[in-house]
Amino acid sequence: AQSVAQPEDQVNVAEGNPLTVKCTYSVSGNPYLFWYVQYPNRGLQFLLKYITGDNLVKGSYGFEAEFNKSQTSFHLKKPSALVSDSALYFCAVRDRRKDRLAFGKGNQVVVIP
Amino acid sequence: DTAVSQTPKYLVTQMGNDKSIKCEQNLGHDTMYWYKQDSKKFLKIMFSYNNKELIINETVPNRFSPKSPDKAHLNLHINSLELGDSAVYFCASRFASGGHNEQFFGPGTRLTVL
Repeated sequence: AQSVAQPEDQVNVAEGNPLTVKCTYSVSGNPYLFWYVQYPNRGLQFLLKYITGDNLVKGSYGFEAEFNKSQTSFHLKKPSALVSDSALYFCAVRDRRKDRLAFGKGNQVVVIP
Repeated sequence: DTAVSQTPKYLVTQMGNDKSIKCEQNLGHDTMYWYKQDSKKFLKIMFSYNNKELIINETVPNRFSPKSPDKAHLNLHINSLELGDSAVYFCASRFASGGHNEQFFGPGTRLTVL
């Protein structure tokens, strides 16, 4: 069964500094990978996804993620964090053969002014 | 113009009661889901429907019964509510053809069982 690990509970970063949220995955076949963001008392919003092709994927709000097959990772990055980026970030993986999305436990990002 | 909507947004009820949560999507998607998010923010899939057909039925107590009257709606009925049912329930939808299609989530229904 597919699974996702987000090793850190919380990521603290100063405003203007680079932001990285880590994600590793496990899946038997080739993966589809997703990042979602959840603001307080809101539903999840899609940020970006990896399907195939270029390992660097660009998404909404200046976020990007790099797919690394050898390390089975899909880390989320933003060059310069904003206070408004403070939220809960979820990585998710889908086995291409199944309609089942497995979510990580989420990472709370706190951007300090 | 909400893409995925849920009603109610908040639901407070007593143990033992029966309640329903409704979900509607206006995106024309063919697959809908129910997720449960617990107090630690873990997200767990409960059910999924594709064209009104049940596809995923996780190990959820049979007190939970989904109903999909049409492709645009997926309702969740819960019988004999228990304290442990307190959580935020999210509905989501997507086009199933093409596993790479992302899911769109509703705003959530916060269920509190007293």
